[in-house]
Amino acid sequence: GAVVSQHPSRVICKSGTSVKIECRSLDFQATTMFWYRQFPKKSLMLMATSNEGSKATYEQGVEKDKFLINHASLTLSTLTVTSAHPEDSSFYICSASDLLGYEQYFGPGTRLTVT
Amino acid sequence: GENVEQHPSTLSVQEGDSAVIKCTYSDSASNYFPWYKQELGKGPQLIIDIRSNVGEKKDQRIAVTLNKTAKHFSLHITETQPEDSAVYFCAGRNSGNTPLVFGKGTRLSVIA
Repeated sequence: GAVVSQHPSRVICKSGTSVKIECRSLDFQATTMFWYRQFPKKSLMLMATSNEGSKATYEQGVEKDKFLINHASLTLSTLTVTSAHPEDSSFYICSASDLLGYEQYFGPGTRLTVT
Repeated sequence: GENVEQHPSTLSVQEGDSAVIKCTYSDSASNYFPWYKQELGKGPQLIIDIRSNVGEKKDQRIAVTLNKTAKHFSLHITETQPEDSAVYFCAGRNSGNTPLVFGKGTRLSVIA
């Protein structure tokens, strides 16, 4: 299957600071990328959908000014958590699909801890 | 919109036995149904998928069946091994590049 990477795998930041998470498709062009958040022992919660070169579409209840998503190229999307608070601590996972759009491949996830 | 229900939430089987996880969906227009395996601290891994023009698909010890009339699909794992222990998620969607709708997951434990 296709490979999606995320960086960093773990990050600890202080309250009030911002942190950027990168998502890369390594062997295919990702027309669409998705960002999810996952709480312990829960399913994946979709945060936003981004298409290359377009503004991201955010799910209801997700603050677009707090979770900034950029999908500037066909292989890279970034999620920036701005002014992070302890309640933003979570497991963030990206996924990507190509132009045909059926298969969706997930990255390994990023564990964010805000102290 | 689409709603995907998944059962059971937990499943324990003896090594070598079969495991079956079932999902139902609500949108009759949905046409793509993947299954993901997620190990602790890792991202979900696509293990098998099926499209609505097919009733069954098999890959070694893993098979998925789809009943479009009843709007349900199932994951079958035969000859289970301890390394099959993980959380399994089903999902569905009705067109390319729209977000997948996930079930709540099934925690499978294979007891040696």
